[in-house]
Formats: sequence, C-alpha cells, structure tokens
Amino acid sequence: AQTVTQSQPEMSVQEAETVTLSCTYDTSESNYYLFWYKQPPSRQMILVIRQEAYKQQNATENRFSVNFQKAAKSFSLKISDSQLGDTAMYFCAFWPYGGSQGNLIFGKGTKLSVKP
Amino acid sequence: SQTIHQWPATLVQPVGSPLSLECTVEGTSNPNLYWYRQAAGRGLQLLFYSVGIGQISSEVPQNLSASRPQDRQFILSSKKLLLSDSGFYLCAWGLEGGWGDTQYFGPGTRLTVL
Repeated sequence: AQTVTQSQPEMSVQEAETVTLSCTYDTSESNYYLFWYKQPPSRQMILVIRQEAYKQQNATENRFSVNFQKAAKSFSLKISDSQLGDTAMYFCAFWPYGGSQGNLIFGKGTKLSVKP
Repeated sequence: SQTIHQWPATLVQPVGSPLSLECTVEGTSNPNLYWYRQAAGRGLQLLFYSVGIGQISSEVPQNLSASRPQDRQFILSSKKLLLSDSGFYLCAWGLEGGWGDTQYFGPGTRLTVL
C-alpha cells in the first residue's frame, strides 16, 4: 500500500524563526506529485506548495520551500520567518502516477504552533 | 476567480436520520469534484469523486452516496446516519482533472451524529 507518514504530530516555533516539517512516503512508482496543505483553525484546507517528482529543483513559494529527496522518499517543508498566521495543521499529500482520478493520499498531519 | 461553497457549516443529526450536504463551485466549468471526510486526529479520506454530471466514483464502501445533478454541484447523502459518520466533510474541486491536478478545498461541514 502507498502511504504518507508525518512523524511529528506536533511542533512549535518562535515567531520569526525557521521550522521544518517532515514527510516520508512509500511507493514503487517513479512518477508522482507531492503537496503540502495547510489547515488553519478555520478548517479550510489551503494549498501551500506542489512538487512534481520528475523535477529535481525544489519548489518554493515565498517563505515556504521544500527539500525533496527522491531516493530517500522524503518531502520536508521549511517555513522561514515564521508568522503567527502560520499556526495550523500541515498535511503532506502524495498522488502517484497511474492512480485514479481521486487518488490523493494524505498523511495524518503535523500541528504547528507559532509562539510570539 | 473560482470559489467553492459548502453548506451547512455545522450539522447535528440523530442516528438513523437522513443526510444531505451540498457543495457548489463558481467561476469554472466542468471541474472534477471530490468529497473527503476528516476524522479527529486523522488525515483526509477520499469518499467520492466525479469527473462530470452523473459520473460518480466511490473510493470507500459505506452508507454514504454522492450525486452530481449539475455541472458545478456535488451532493453527499445518506439514508440513515451512523455514529461513525461523524466528522468534518470537505468538498474539493480540480480544474484539469488529470493526474496530479491541484485540488482546492471548500470551508467544510462539521457533522455530529448523536
């Protein structure tokens, strides 16, 4: 079975500091997409960043960047200059090639608290 | 720009009662539509997805069903709710519809079955 593992159920960081959330996945596929979603207390899921497995360059979106290590099947999210508004659940998700139209597989999430 | 709506925002229902949750998307045509459930302390579980009107695929067998009566409307239903149906239900849409398409989520519905 293809799975996504987020080994850190909870993390905290001081405002303005940098934090890295880990994610590993298990698959025999060589082509796939990876995503990080953020779910703030309002509960609406928001796309943070998207990575295509065949692109070696790590994706970045403003203060958010990923460290994609394909051989290690690792996809960590780095948040720089953390802000109070970054407090949320963060979900790593994985969509393997050849999966069904809806085959987006989510991890169980990491709860991030940004402290003033 | 595209927006996605879900209602109701919260719902409390007795066991055995029917359910109808609605999701609508604005600002796009022929989107892929998805229903997810998020149980406490867990990630999202895909329940249904639809690539067009009347086309529904089920990922998890259960007492829930879905329908897509119009291009941008997606409905989640049940004839008789179970306690285990409690959770947070999220609707999502994707434009391109293919593998790896980014999914955009609605605000969700909190369902409590008593």
